[in-house]
Amino acid sequence: KQEVTQIPAALSVPEGENLVLNCSFTDSAIYNLQWFRQDPGKGLTSLLLIQSSQREQTSGRLNASLDKSSGRSTLYIAASQPGDSATYLCAVSAGGTSYGKLTFGQGTILTVHP
Amino acid sequence: DADVTQTPRNRITKTGKRIMLECSQTKGHDRMYWYRQDPGLGLRLIYYSFDVKDINKGEISDGYSVSRQAQAKFSLSLESAIPNQTALYFCATAHPGTGHTDTQYFGPGTRLTVL
Repeated sequence: KQEVTQIPAALSVPEGENLVLNCSFTDSAIYNLQWFRQDPGKGLTSLLLIQSSQREQTSGRLNASLDKSSGRSTLYIAASQPGDSATYLCAVSAGGTSYGKLTFGQGTILTVHP
Repeated sequence: DADVTQTPRNRITKTGKRIMLECSQTKGHDRMYWYRQDPGLGLRLIYYSFDVKDINKGEISDGYSVSRQAQAKFSLSLESAIPNQTALYFCATAHPGTGHTDTQYFGPGTRLTVL
């Protein structure tokens, strides 16, 4: 059974800092890995999707890397802003009988203070 | 208008009551999902449907049932609500892709409290 773990559970940083969120998964047979953002009272928004054959994806100040063999992914946020404050979730998608289903980590609560 | 809508957004009910949560989407996606989220935990899959005639149990389906009334509508029912079903419930949709590139689109969530 796939298990996804995110570290740290919570992170508080001053504005302008670069930061890294970590995600690990136990079964490396994944189709893709996604990073989502969750804001209070709103649903999840997909930030980045890394296919199993890729090593990283970038979108603006966000960069996500994937090391399938070690079961790890990182989300790097450059020059953090208060608007980045949210819960960040990673999720993996697998094939076979788990095709089309996501397994989520428990999330990292990020607070960026001015 | 939002692509994935959920009703109600908030609901307080009592133990033993039957509750239905509804999800509608305008994205034209075949796949729909129901998840629940508990504090400090990630999302856990309750049921999912790959088309109108295809319904599958997820990780935590006990105590829940679903109905796929149409491509655009997927309802989650709690036949006899209990307090440990208090949670935030999310509906999601996805377009069938290669698996390597398909992502899921989430509704805003329904906060359910069972007293």
